Amino acid sequence: EAQVTQNPRYLITVTGKKLTVTCSQNMNHEYMSWYRQDPGLGLRQIYYSMNVEVTDKGDVPEGYKVSRKEKRNFPLILESPSPNQTSLYFCASSLRSSPYEQYFGPGTRLTVT
Amino acid sequence: AQKVTQAQTEISVVEKEDVTLDCVYETRDTTYYLFWYKQPPSGELVFLIRRNSFDEQNEISGRYSWNFQKSTSSFNFTITASQVVDSAVYFCALTYGQNFVFGPGTRLSVLP
Repeated sequence: EAQVTQNPRYLITVTGKKLTVTCSQNMNHEYMSWYRQDPGLGLRQIYYSMNVEVTDKGDVPEGYKVSRKEKRNFPLILESPSPNQTSLYFCASSLRSSPYEQYFGPGTRLTVT
Repeated sequence: AQKVTQAQTEISVVEKEDVTLDCVYETRDTTYYLFWYKQPPSGELVFLIRRNSFDEQNEISGRYSWNFQKSTSSFNFTITASQVVDSAVYFCALTYGQNFVFGPGTRLSVLP
């Protein structure tokens, strides 16, 4: 089944404790992206990747890192999480960037205390 | 700057009513794409439609229809004869280059 998977689905952590949210797709997509969803703000793009070893900032990259060492994986790293990073995070992939529609993962709900 | 506005935060309708969700966008690009996504209560994001900036034809898919008007920078979504299963948050999105910008979403509640 074609899908985007994220792990973990739920995570509660403390300020400053490094964490990684994994994202994997099995569709051989070139483009992958991370978003955060906050009430009233919709989805905001954090980082995206056009292909292996090619990443770039979205609208809200501060406090996040990403890497794309393999085509299928695009982990999101929070090196020193803060409470303002409490959010719902979505990973997405598409065949290429514009104009292709994105396939979204199920979401990761992160709480930073 | 690229921006998507969905002025309606929440809409409630009674089943079988028609409802239109508004989307207004801003972009300096001449080539861009617009999308609608649905997020039902279960939380996943479901792709509904894509429209490119050179195609202003309206589109109908079953009970769903979309009206793209470049002159007013709008890409509105109408659900005809709404059903309870249409209850969801609907997002309009704009893509320019490699970036995606989403609107804040409209929460639609269809009451039985």
